[in-house]
Amino acid sequence: GENVEQHPSTLSVQEGDSAVIKCTYSDSASNYFPWYKQELGKGPQLIIDIRSNVGEKKDQRIAVTLNKTAKHFSLHITETQPEDSAVYFCAVLNTNAGKSTFGDGTTLTVKP
Amino acid sequence: GAGVSQSPRYKVTKRGQDVALRCDPISGHVSLYWYRQALGQGPEFLTYFNYEAQQDKSGLPNDRFSAERPEGSISTLTIQRTEQRDSAMYRCASSRRQGGNSPLHFGNGTRLTVT
Repeated sequence: GENVEQHPSTLSVQEGDSAVIKCTYSDSASNYFPWYKQELGKGPQLIIDIRSNVGEKKDQRIAVTLNKTAKHFSLHITETQPEDSAVYFCAVLNTNAGKSTFGDGTTLTVKP
Repeated sequence: GAGVSQSPRYKVTKRGQDVALRCDPISGHVSLYWYRQALGQGPEFLTYFNYEAQQDKSGLPNDRFSAERPEGSISTLTIQRTEQRDSAMYRCASSRRQGGNSPLHFGNGTRLTVT
């Protein structure tokens, strides 16, 4: 089955700095790569996603890059704010299989 | 509109008892997923449905776990003869389309504690 590794497990940055979280996966048939943000006491919420026919996608301060050859993708958050502090999960999906495999999460702390 | 609703929010049960966890997905969402999330880890797949049909139950740990979605809407995850190792956060998610081509919308989960 699919194997997803996420790094780092914790990340602390100063407000205004950038944060980068990376995931690697094993199944070359995977074709959908969402990122979720989980706040305390809540379920994960989608923040951005990318499909395999695209190399990069941006949404305001958040961007995701995908390297299908190397089987890795990254989440980039620029101009971080304290409210960005949360646990971030990458996920990988082969849309033919129908189920997502999640990384183990990155706890991001943005210090004011 | 309303999000994915799970009940109960917390469940404490004694070892050996059966429990039923309920998920009410977003109206009109075709697919419904059950995940289990241990502290400090990502959600781990258990099973999923398209409409009322269970598509994949490969993540269910053993035959004490079962799930149903009889009318293609509300789903129940049942754990029989609970054991302490079953203690975890159980999360339900729904998505608008089949095949995972649309994002998952998660509920706030049911925290199960087996004493």
